[in-house]
This record gives sequence, structure tokens and C-alpha cells, in this order.
Amino acid sequence: ETGVTQSPTHLIKTRGQQVTLRCSSQSGHNTVSWYQQALGQGPQFIFQYYREEENGRGNFPPRFSGLQFPNYSSELNVNALELDDSALYLCASSPGGGIANLMNTEAFFGQGTRLTVV
Amino acid sequence: GQQLNQSPQSMFIQEGEDVSMNCTSSSIFNTWLWYKQDPGEGPVLLIALYKAGELTSNGRLTAQFGITRKDSFLNISASIPSDVGIYFCAGDSGGTYKYIFGTGTRLKVLA
Repeated sequence: ETGVTQSPTHLIKTRGQQVTLRCSSQSGHNTVSWYQQALGQGPQFIFQYYREEENGRGNFPPRFSGLQFPNYSSELNVNALELDDSALYLCASSPGGGIANLMNTEAFFGQGTRLTVV
Repeated sequence: GQQLNQSPQSMFIQEGEDVSMNCTSSSIFNTWLWYKQDPGEGPVLLIALYKAGELTSNGRLTAQFGITRKDSFLNISASIPSDVGIYFCAGDSGGTYKYIFGTGTRLKVLA
């Protein structure tokens, strides 16, 4: 039990629609990262939020956007859904962002949201 | 997107056997993490490594941070059926929590 919770657990959307996924980070963690995991592959970094601001982005288009709230929970929004967006979306919470304590850089994952685009 | 190379891709072993898997990168990392993922679940952190040459154990699991900082190894001793799952390595170059993951090693244990 990591203390990181994601909702919903499963979601089916139609191509072209928009979706919002939610993540509550572990208590005391101020950094949230989002990953996309396609079937049979490892997670791919989408972006990270630290103290309510985006703090780095992977190779994902602008239709992937996010928010972080004062309580450090976060949302991932995807507009204009495409079939290839079907994946497990994972949220990871970490104890400190920005210049990290190099001896404590673990990332703890939630159970994920399985998004299917039809 | 970039992924680290893990080998083997999959393996079947007998219960009680030892297992070894590795992960290689073209880049230098400051942190290596090893995760286990069960079907439909998020990855669960097994071991974290922070220093080149470091050897860290967690029960039957032992992981090492390669001297070159471009590889890491995970060993599981005396495997049991619940070790079944996919094992991922992940590396971070700057202490930023922005991890690059490996392609995964799928482990199946035969009772």
C-alpha cells in the first residue's frame, strides 16, 4: 500500500473526447509525476508537477495537460483522444521536487487508471 | 520514447531456483530503482540504489548499481510462486524523479 490513489480505475472513451484522471499523492509528498504504460511496455514519463507548477515534460503532445492543487493532488487531462491513447496511466508521488535529496528519490505509484479509447 | 534494455525479456524457472536479470543504459544514472508489477496493478518499489557499486538487499532480493553507472542487476534467491510478475528497472540521471523505465522482465515460476 503506497498511499497513492487514482480514480477512476477503468474508463472507456470515444475517439475525439476529453478525459480527466485524478491522483492523490502520498501524505507529505509534494511532487507528482504521470506516466503512460502501453500494453507490454514499461511506463513512459509524461510530465511532473512540483508545488503546483509543471516541472518537466516527456515526449507527449500539448493535448496532454495537467494540474496540481495546493494539497498536492493532481489531474491529468487528455484532449482529442486518439486510439493510441489507450493505456494504463500511472501517477507517482515523490517526497521532494525541484533539487531533490539525492538519497531519497524513490517514486511510489498508484494502481493506475486503465483508459480504453474506442 | 526512450526505454532501458532489460534482459532476459522473459524467463520460466522452477520454484527454489535463483533468478538474475539486468538492465543497461546508454546514459549515466545517479539512481536506479527496481519495481515489480502484477497484472492490472501499479509498479511496487522493491529496491532503490544511489551509489555506483552499491549492493542492497531486501529479503530474498539483491540489487547492484553498476560501477559504470550505466547498468544495474537484480537477483532473486530461492524463488517462490508469488515472485511471478514483471520486473522493471528505472533510472534517473539528476535526482529529479523523472524516471526512464526498462522494457521489463517477465518472470514465471513453476511450482
